[in-house]
Amino acid sequence: DIQMTQSPSSLSASVGDRVTITCRASQSISSYLNWYQQKPGKAPKLLIYAASSLQSGVPSRFSGSGPGTDFTLTISSLQPEDLATYYCQQSYSTPWTFGQGTKVEIK
Amino acid sequence: QLQLQESGPGLVKPSETLSLTCTVSGGSISSSSYYWGWIRQPPGKGLEWIGSIYYSGSTYYNSSLKSRVTISVDTSKNQFSLKLSSVTAADTAVYYCARRKSGDNYFDYWGQGTLVTVSS
Repeated sequence: DIQMTQSPSSLSASVGDRVTITCRASQSISSYLNWYQQKPGKAPKLLIYAASSLQSGVPSRFSGSGPGTDFTLTISSLQPEDLATYYCQQSYSTPWTFGQGTKVEIK
Repeated sequence: QLQLQESGPGLVKPSETLSLTCTVSGGSISSSSYYWGWIRQPPGKGLEWIGSIYYSGSTYYNSSLKSRVTISVDTSKNQFSLKLSSVTAADTAVYYCARRKSGDNYFDYWGQGTLVTVSS
């Protein structure tokens, strides 16, 4: 199985800050990397697919980069509604696996 | 707008079988571009893919659960279902159904999730 490791596990930032979350795969997964946002008590929501493609309806302040083994999710200007846990997911091979999550808090 | 809705018992006894159904509305489960799957999340923990099914009935399971999992599809009702046998407290989780895009393999639509507690 491909292991996905996110860092940091949590972060606290101010409104307007640039926030970067990293996801590392245990082997090369090309661009088969997706990012999800999960708000408290809600289902995950797809933000970014194929490492850098923005899902329809997702604000442009979210962006992703890759490919290979190291990926980043960037929020260019953190907003209060971005309070959530963010997960990466590899879609290179089954079993599809997720990172452990990064909890983003607002200072 | 596509919607997915999980249904089933919220409480299951240890050693029994967990059964959930996902009803798809606003679109056809028989689309050739998508698979339909189950993902779970234990309280306070991360996400675990359980398995997926194609409308034709082809299934793909996580090897960690394969011996206990059965996923089936009923295209006439636009539904797919999950059965997880011999459950223990470790199977207590929020269970989500979701649509997976073939090829890119991302989950673009999710149900709201249903909490299943395993307890006597």
